[in-house]
Amino acid sequence: GQNIDQPTEMTATEGAIVQINCTYQTSGFNGLFWYQQHAGEAPTFLSYNVLDGLEEKGRFSSFLSRSKGYSYLLLKELQMKDSASYLCAVRGRSGGYNKLIFGAGTRLAVHP
Amino acid sequence: NAGVTQTPKFRVLKTGQSMTLLCAQDMNHEYMYWYRQDPGMGLRLIHYSVGEGTTAKGEVPDGYNVSRLKKQNFLLGLESAAPSQTSVYFCASSRSAGTSGITDTQYFGPGTRLTVL
Repeated sequence: GQNIDQPTEMTATEGAIVQINCTYQTSGFNGLFWYQQHAGEAPTFLSYNVLDGLEEKGRFSSFLSRSKGYSYLLLKELQMKDSASYLCAVRGRSGGYNKLIFGAGTRLAVHP
Repeated sequence: NAGVTQTPKFRVLKTGQSMTLLCAQDMNHEYMYWYRQDPGMGLRLIHYSVGEGTTAKGEVPDGYNVSRLKKQNFLLGLESAAPSQTSVYFCASSRSAGTSGITDTQYFGPGTRLTVL
């Protein structure tokens, strides 16, 4: 089957660093995505990993270990606007097509 | 370039009523998707389409029907609404379903908040 686990909630302080973990089980792994979703809004794409290692994009970095079924999203120099839900999504093959399976999301609250 | 748009933004239905949610994209994407998002659960795929004139079932298709008569539009229908269908519905599109190493990000519309009484 396919399963994605991530913490439900996290809190952090403005200016700090936070790491959001995601573990997954899937068949036909073909990439892992992180999306950001502010309350009442649509998910927006943050990062993509398909090979092991770290992908850095400004204040955000994402890491993948395919052998461990593990990823994390690292947010540096936290800002108040980073308060949002962060969705981990794994692309796997099912029914002949690649599909995205989403985790329930991690709600991050950034405090002054 | 509007991206992915959805109408309506909000709707309240009574049990047994029917409605259609419209999704439109102007990015010439082949793939389109309908998801529902409920508290404490991830986005769940209802139906998807791999091209004009094609549709397929996702994870939670029961109680919904879809049509893709034009490449840019993907319609989601509820024939007889039930309170269990109270949710936020998101439409998404992507250039393709992705092959190894290719991002093919899904782009999401703003969502439709549906309440069934």
